[in-house]
Amino acid sequence: SQQGEEDPQALSIQEGENATMNCSYKTSINNLQWYRQNSGRGLVHLILIRSNEREKHSGRLRVTLDTSKKSSSLLITASRAADTASYFCATDAGTDSWGKLQFGSGTQVVVTP
Amino acid sequence: NAGVMQNPRHLVRRRGQEARLRCSPMKGHSHVYWYRQLPEEGLKFMVYLQKENIIDESGMPKERFSAEFPKEGPSILRIQQVVRGDSAAYFCASSPPEVGDNLLSGNTIYFGEGSWLTVV
Repeated sequence: SQQGEEDPQALSIQEGENATMNCSYKTSINNLQWYRQNSGRGLVHLILIRSNEREKHSGRLRVTLDTSKKSSSLLITASRAADTASYFCATDAGTDSWGKLQFGSGTQVVVTP
Repeated sequence: NAGVMQNPRHLVRRRGQEARLRCSPMKGHSHVYWYRQLPEEGLKFMVYLQKENIIDESGMPKERFSAEFPKEGPSILRIQQVVRGDSAAYFCASSPPEVGDNLLSGNTIYFGEGSWLTVV
């Protein structure tokens, strides 16, 4: 079973709107990361949030982490057509699994001009 | 500083043939990870290697799949006697050596562009 599950599976918005997607996981983590993947391409690292952090910002991205609920959210503000991609959360789960990330199935975001 | 380099980017194999996927980590990185992504799914961990050592292969199928990271040269993911279900994107990632020793370093691993295997 997957560690991370994103919600929604797909999201369609217009340029300028905000996009919010959520990720839930099952086991304790050290870090949670968000990645972006354009169709047919590799993964681009967006942001990492540690288990002792609650919120983190990077440009138009805002990530929250609630370890009590085992969930995280990614907010993209003022979206652009170039933000069209799949977004994945990934968690690591302990000393013997650093780099052994567990990915969710992703949220497909389509931003229309 | 070149990123993680994977080749070939696209590979077509007939059922029963062998597929070899290569990964050159970023300069200075000695940890390599292989992931597989089936269509419309997230990435699944396959194997974690350091130079000349397999550290964790818990995600590798028991048969037909093998991986190596020799002292010299790229890491190789080898799939013998491919079947249609092996069609997927295979991603390699690398990290620097100090990352594995610091649990809370928060460093990331860096992904290559992937190798897309199609079995016909």
